[in-house]
Amino acid sequence: DAKTTQPPSMDCAEGRAANLPCNHSTISGNEYVYWYRQIHSQGPQYIIHGLKNNETNEMASLIITEDRKSSTLILPHATLRDTAVYYCIVSDPSGTYKYIFGTGTRLKVLA
Amino acid sequence: GAGVSQTPSNKVTEKGKYVELRCDPISGHTALYWYRQSLGQGPEFLIYFQGTGAADDSGLPNDRFFAVRPEGSVSTLKIQRTERGDSAVYLCASSRGQGKQYFGPGTRLTVT
Repeated sequence: DAKTTQPPSMDCAEGRAANLPCNHSTISGNEYVYWYRQIHSQGPQYIIHGLKNNETNEMASLIITEDRKSSTLILPHATLRDTAVYYCIVSDPSGTYKYIFGTGTRLKVLA
Repeated sequence: GAGVSQTPSNKVTEKGKYVELRCDPISGHTALYWYRQSLGQGPEFLIYFQGTGAADDSGLPNDRFFAVRPEGSVSTLKIQRTERGDSAVYLCASSRGQGKQYFGPGTRLTVT
């Protein structure tokens, strides 16, 4: 079973910030939170990951709550090319680091 | 640099036939993963290699599925006696051990 819960779909106006929530209430202390996105007919693309602290890179920001039970991916200025399915993943702690995907959030950026 | 590549990009086969799907990981990546993605679903883990050995094959659905990585680089996913339910996109990913995974474009398998 997936370890994360995400809303099935969201819309965002072009140029506005897209805030995608993820619930991972059963996360354990050594598990990282990863975000990937998948544009139609392509393989998943890495966006960002974090353990405890907030993270930012050229693509997005990741805000993790202090209790680590939820996180938010922020795309600061969404463009039409950001339309995709976004997956929040908690890495498996058993040593294999396999990803257990949920069904993700389908983000549609509107012109 | 070159990313993960997968061949073929599309494969159509008849029910009962044998198929092989190939994955070329990023050079130097010791970890390799196979996932399967059905329409409208997230990818589902199949098997994980660390070097040449299958460290976790808990996701393989049954004994018709098998994967190898004989030299610790290229991997082949093999499916015997294919069934229509095997139709899906098969994704390969590689990583430097415990790091983030880089995915290939996938092979779309259709069993008729």
